[in-house]
Amino acid sequence: GENVEQHPSTLSVQEGDSAVIKCTYSDSASNYFPWYKQELGKRPQLIIDIRSNVGEKKDQRIAVTLNKTAKHFSLHITETQPEDSAVYFCAASLTNRDDKIIFGKGTRLHILP
Amino acid sequence: NAGVTQTPKFRVLKTGQSMTLLCAQDMNHEYMYWYRQDPGMGLRLIHYSVGEGTTAKGEVPDGYNVSRLKKQNFLLGLESAAPSQTSVYFCASSYSILSPEETQYFGPGTRLLVL
Repeated sequence: GENVEQHPSTLSVQEGDSAVIKCTYSDSASNYFPWYKQELGKRPQLIIDIRSNVGEKKDQRIAVTLNKTAKHFSLHITETQPEDSAVYFCAASLTNRDDKIIFGKGTRLHILP
Repeated sequence: NAGVTQTPKFRVLKTGQSMTLLCAQDMNHEYMYWYRQDPGMGLRLIHYSVGEGTTAKGEVPDGYNVSRLKKQNFLLGLESAAPSQTSVYFCASSYSILSPEETQYFGPGTRLLVL
């Protein structure tokens, strides 16, 4: 089955700097890669996703890149702000098989003033 | 439009007791999921359903059962609770991942403590 590894587990960046979180997946057939943000005590919420037919997707200050050959994808947050502090989860899914979404273990992002 | 709701929000059980967690969604979603979240472990899929009357096992199904008798409800049962089942449980729902509206919506979570 699919296995998703996420690094780093904790990340601290200065406000205004960029943050990058990286994930690898094991099943080369996976074709859907969402990213979720979870603030303390709240539910996970989708922030951006990418499908395997696209190499990069951007939405304002966040972007996701996908390298199918290497089986890894990354979340990039530019011009970080205090409200970006949260736990971020990557996930992978094979949508034309069973629609299971397998999550990484999460990255706790701290934005330093 | 309430989205995804979960009942109860918090529960304390003794080892061996049983309980049922209820997830309800009013978005007419076909897919529903149950996850557990433990510190440092991310979200692990317990069971999921791709439509009314169907269920399937996820990554960590042992000790849990589920039922999807109605499209809007997805029940998670613990027949004999164990301390290892202490966790935060999240329900989620979505249209088919293949559809343009594939966003997975999460419920607010249920905190379960098994003593």
